[in-house]
Amino acid sequence: EVQLVESGGGLVQPGGSLRLSCAASGFTFSDYYMSWVRQAPGEGLEWVANINPEGTEDYCVDSVKGRFTASRDNAKNSLFLQMNSLRADDTAVYYCARSAYGSAVNPWGQGTLVTVSS
Amino acid sequence: DVVMTQSPLSLPVTLGQPASISCRSSQSLVYSDGNTYLNWFQQRPGQSPRRLIYQVSNRDSGVPDRFSGSGSGTDFTLKISRVEAEDVGVYYCMQGTHWPWTFGQGTKVEIK
Repeated sequence: EVQLVESGGGLVQPGGSLRLSCAASGFTFSDYYMSWVRQAPGEGLEWVANINPEGTEDYCVDSVKGRFTASRDNAKNSLFLQMNSLRADDTAVYYCARSAYGSAVNPWGQGTLVTVSS
Repeated sequence: DVVMTQSPLSLPVTLGQPASISCRSSQSLVYSDGNTYLNWFQQRPGQSPRRLIYQVSNRDSGVPDRFSGSGSGTDFTLKISRVEAEDVGVYYCMQGTHWPWTFGQGTKVEIK
């Protein structure tokens, strides 16, 4: 059974940093692009980042470029999102998902909540 | 960035009746490989999103056949042939043709 379990969310002050993790199981992790998608409270979905299967290329949306970095450890079936210089508008539930052919493949993780507030 | 525009944003429906959601993109979603990476996601209250439809019209495993997708180029539609209570939630179209991948604003489906 495919499972994605996010962790690492919490309360952080503006300007602070946080590292999210996503533990993957039930599939060959190193075969897939992986993605981070976020959802601000009561709002819609926003794609944040993709990373290629080798972990050599990551793509971030402009609103987080230069502040967020996606990475992965294929030996440990783990995906990460390093978030620096956090702002209030980064407050959201962050989901990880497998990606293929221009889409996120089911199932998604349950998400981890990041709250940026003083 | 490609803007995805959904309508309506709120859709009250009667159980057993059909429902239709429109999604328009600001650019063609036909990729250089000839495929169109237009997807539909459902998010039930309190749950993570799940994909229903990929590449315009292909249903994901386990998705009831009352859900169907159609369209081409910049105009796409998700149809529910007969709405059931478990269909309540927010539906998003999403394009994976152009980076950054983008979602529509979401359409909230509720029972009248």
